[in-house]
Amino acid sequence: GENVEQHPSTLSVQEGDSAVIKCTYSDSASNYFPWYKQELGKRPQLIIDIRSNVGEKKDQRIAVTLNKTAKHFSLHITETQPEDSAVYFCAASIGGGYQKVTFGIGTKLQVIP
Amino acid sequence: SQTIHQWPATLVQPVGSPLSLECTVEGTSNPNLYWYRQAAGRGLQLLFYSVGIGQISSEVPQNLSASRPQDRQFILSSKKLLLSDSGFYLCAWMAGGTYEQYFGPGTRLTVT
Repeated sequence: GENVEQHPSTLSVQEGDSAVIKCTYSDSASNYFPWYKQELGKRPQLIIDIRSNVGEKKDQRIAVTLNKTAKHFSLHITETQPEDSAVYFCAASIGGGYQKVTFGIGTKLQVIP
Repeated sequence: SQTIHQWPATLVQPVGSPLSLECTVEGTSNPNLYWYRQAAGRGLQLLFYSVGIGQISSEVPQNLSASRPQDRQFILSSKKLLLSDSGFYLCAWMAGGTYEQYFGPGTRLTVT
């Protein structure tokens, strides 16, 4: 089955700096890669996703990149703000029908004011 | 628009007691449904998923079971809770043929 590895497990950045979280996946058939943000005590929220036919996607201060050849994808957050502090999960799946989503272990991001 | 509900929001149960958590989805038909567990400070562990009424697949053998008696209803049960069953239980849904998965608000279970 699919295996998703995520790193780092914790990340501290100064407010205004950039943060990068990296994930690798094992199943070359995976074609959908979402990122979730989970604030303390709350549900994971889908913040951005990318499909395998796209190399990069951007939404305001967050962007995702995908390298299908190397089987890795990354989340980039620019101009970080204290409200970006949360746990971020990457995931991989084979989309378009019934699908099981495999999650990474999570990265705890702390933005220091 | 689609909405997912879970109840109860919090639950404290003694070891050995039964469990029933419910999840319902509104605004969609024949969704894929999922149960996840998240231990404190940990990642998301997939417990069960369902692609239709009465169709349940188990990911992790344990003392939990799941049922889908109606199209938009997903139930997680246990006959006898263990201390290790404590955690944050999340139901999730996905519209068939799509890619995005959305989570419910969760149930925080403490087994004492």
